[in-house]
Amino acid sequence: DSGVTQTPKHLITATGQRVTLRCSPRSGDLSVYWYQQSLDQGLQFLIQYYNGEERAKGNILERFSAQQFPDLHSELNLSSLELGDSALYFCASSGAGSWGGEQFFGPGTRLTVL
Amino acid sequence: GQQLNQSPQSMFIQEGEDVSMNCTSSSIFNTWLWYKQDPGEGPVLLIALYKAGELTSNGRLTAQFGITRKDSFLNISASIPSDVGIYFCAGQREGSNYKLTFGKGTLLTVNP
Repeated sequence: DSGVTQTPKHLITATGQRVTLRCSPRSGDLSVYWYQQSLDQGLQFLIQYYNGEERAKGNILERFSAQQFPDLHSELNLSSLELGDSALYFCASSGAGSWGGEQFFGPGTRLTVL
Repeated sequence: GQQLNQSPQSMFIQEGEDVSMNCTSSSIFNTWLWYKQDPGEGPVLLIALYKAGELTSNGRLTAQFGITRKDSFLNISASIPSDVGIYFCAGQREGSNYKLTFGKGTLLTVNP
């Protein structure tokens, strides 16, 4: 158990809909990262938050957004969903005292868009 | 986005054999990480490397940070059935705000 929690575990929805994925980092970790994992693209970095502020952006679509709240949990919002958005979405966290590279992953949310 | 070149893509070995896999890049990385992922689970950190030439062990696993800073290697000795899974390398480039770039993974199958 990495200490990172994600909900829900599975999500099935239809095209055009909007969903919210939730992540709670390990106790004390200030950084949260979101990744998308699909069969053809592998693990792709989406976005990073540090202590409530956006720090880095990767291959995140404009239809996707995220935020980190004062209690440090984070949410990833996916809107106008398309079939190709079906994937595993992982959240990871790292501590303020670490080099940042040691990211600990949650169990993921499997999103299926029908 | 940029990805690391990880090889081999898959391996089928007998229990007790040693395993080697590697990752290469055209870019310099200042951190290399190795993760293992079981089906339906999140990646689990195995080993972290921070210095060129560094050799670090975690039980039967040994990883090395290449001296050129463009590659890394993972070795598993005396494999056992529970080593089955997908192994990913991940690198962090200087100035990347801790963003990790992942390899596409090595699927390891161990026959008992």
